[in-house]
Amino acid sequence: ETGVTQSPTHLIKTRGQQVTLRCSSQSGHNTVSWYQQALGQGPQFIFQYYREEENGRGNFPPRFSGLQFPNYSSELNVNALELDDSALYLCASSPGVRGANEQFFGPGTRLTVL
Amino acid sequence: GESVGLHLPTLSVQEGDNSIINCAYSNSASDYFIWYKQESGKGPQFIIDIRSNMDKRQGQRVTVLLNKTVKHLSLQIAATQPGDSAVYFCAERGEGGADGLTFGKGTHLIIQP
Repeated sequence: ETGVTQSPTHLIKTRGQQVTLRCSSQSGHNTVSWYQQALGQGPQFIFQYYREEENGRGNFPPRFSGLQFPNYSSELNVNALELDDSALYLCASSPGVRGANEQFFGPGTRLTVL
Repeated sequence: GESVGLHLPTLSVQEGDNSIINCAYSNSASDYFIWYKQESGKGPQFIIDIRSNMDKRQGQRVTVLLNKTVKHLSLQIAATQPGDSAVYFCAERGEGGADGLTFGKGTHLIIQP
């Protein structure tokens, strides 16, 4: 186990709704990254937070937003859900400055949009 | 855009044999590469990493080889065990690390008894 936890484990929403996913990073890790993994695909980078600020972003629209808290835990918010948002959402934490070191993944949150 | 891809989607090997999983990458600026193992219903698990200033790194039963000339990465697993059955992803990171990791599509390794 990596020490990275995510909640909830599973979630079902309908199109147009909003969702918040949560992640607790491994102790001592100050960088959190979020990834979206569609079925049968590799994870795709959404964004990264370092010391409560967004540090980098992948090719995702603005309706994907996030927060990092002083204890380095993080939230991923998705507005106006679309069917294609159905995926496993992974959180990864890393100990180094600006995510320079290896990333440790949590078990993920399975989001289904109906 | 830049991408990381794998040559084979499925690899089947006999228990006890060695397995080799290959990966091609296209971003010549990538400075760090990682292999992850993902079992069904779980998040990716770190296996081994290698920096671009190296061409080989060994761990317990695993070896990663990096050929920057042809932009190729491989993962060798020695004496495969049933617990090695999983999907394996290679991932690369560009300089600075702020853009996160770029993953390939994965190779499903199946261990035959």
